[in-house]
Amino acid sequence: EIVMTQSPATLSVSPGERATLSCRASQSVSYNLAWYQQKPGQAPTLLISGAATRATGVPARFSGSGSGTEFTLTISSLQSEDFAIYYCQQYYNWPPLTFGGGTKVEFK
Amino acid sequence: QVQLQESGPGLVKSSETLSLTCTVSGGSISDYYWSWIRQPPGKGLEWIGFIYYRGNTNDNPSLRSRVTMSVDTSKNQFSLKLSSVTAADTAVYYCARVKGGSFWYFDLWGRGTLVTVSS
Repeated sequence: EIVMTQSPATLSVSPGERATLSCRASQSVSYNLAWYQQKPGQAPTLLISGAATRATGVPARFSGSGSGTEFTLTISSLQSEDFAIYYCQQYYNWPPLTFGGGTKVEFK
Repeated sequence: QVQLQESGPGLVKSSETLSLTCTVSGGSISDYYWSWIRQPPGKGLEWIGFIYYRGNTNDNPSLRSRVTMSVDTSKNQFSLKLSSVTAADTAVYYCARVKGGSFWYFDLWGRGTLVTVSS
């Protein structure tokens, strides 16, 4: 099973600042990585697939990068609606499909 | 647009079987894989398994012996049964659509339903 580790667990950021979230895989997943955003009381929504491709309707301030075992989600200028929990998921080697433990982006 | 809606009992007794259904509206269940994912309160996401509209399934080895999935194309629904539940199975259960092809990520999610296992 591929273990996905996200850091930090919590990120305190002020609106307008840049946020950088990390996701590490226990073995290479090539570019087969997705990022999701989950707001309180809501289901996750797809942000990025293929490590770097934004889903339809996702603002350009969200960008993904990385390959192999190291991945980054960057939010260039945080808006109030971006405060949420972010999860990464690998889909390279399964079963099982696996998620990271999440990074909570909170208001500083 | 396509929407997913989970339904089923919100309370299940320990050792019994959890049963949930996901209804796909606004589109056909055909030509896609459909998945179940769960999230214990305050915790992260766990993939349970997925089913193709033709009935092929694949599931998480950690749950395999307890999971049964089925699909009813005539009703545009797919279902999950999880047997011998314990308190550890208390979670919000989501149904989701798999992107497809070689892309095993989830591009559409239901709102989720909380299932509590009681003793």
